[in-house]
Amino acid sequence: RKEVEQDPGPFNVPEGATVAFNCTYSNSASQSFFWYRQDCRKEPKLLMSVYSSGNEDGRFTAQLNRASQYISLLIRDSKLSDSATYLCVVTPTSGTYKYIFGTGTRLKVLA
Amino acid sequence: GAGVSQSPSNKVTEKGKDVELRCDPISGHTALYWYRQSLGQGLEFLIYFQGNSAPDKSGLPSDRFSAERTGGSVSTLTIQRTQQEDSAVYLCASSAPRNRDTNYGYTFGSGTRLTVV
Repeated sequence: RKEVEQDPGPFNVPEGATVAFNCTYSNSASQSFFWYRQDCRKEPKLLMSVYSSGNEDGRFTAQLNRASQYISLLIRDSKLSDSATYLCVVTPTSGTYKYIFGTGTRLKVLA
Repeated sequence: GAGVSQSPSNKVTEKGKDVELRCDPISGHTALYWYRQSLGQGLEFLIYFQGNSAPDKSGLPSDRFSAERTGGSVSTLTIQRTQQEDSAVYLCASSAPRNRDTNYGYTFGSGTRLTVV
């Protein structure tokens, strides 16, 4: 089983739709969680950290479910500019800076 | 600098040649990482530097790969006797010192696209 798993998609949604991605991780001792966004042929960029209590940044909401070992990203009112690949990132244990990246979920927002 | 700077942005090399990739992290970031991303694949960890500590080299795929970080700043990733399977985008990232209360992510450079022909 991969350490971090994501549905590769693509998720094709119309503008204005709400879309959610999940990401599962295998190591229950994982400490830190992030969502990154990667545009085609560009470097990944930090979208948001994921906190135990859940967090929201504008149209984006991230949640962590430790019991089921998954994190989620919800995008409301999708924009064309949200089209990208969304990478789930996990740090396996405390004290390590080595992040484990999922292979990403591709989102296409259609006009 | 303001961001993580990598050079060259593109490199085409012949099989068997050595290449050097450079990374200049964000000023003040003590941690520096190298990852690579093959076409359509996820990011593969290569090596991690943290301050003056011994680097974590656990991700280097073979002894043809090595990296240095001089003076706690600029890093060079060297690939000797390149092979076609080394073709990928090599991404460098840096991060600020982390403590119990902070949850910093990485800042990536724009990468070096290496093509071995």
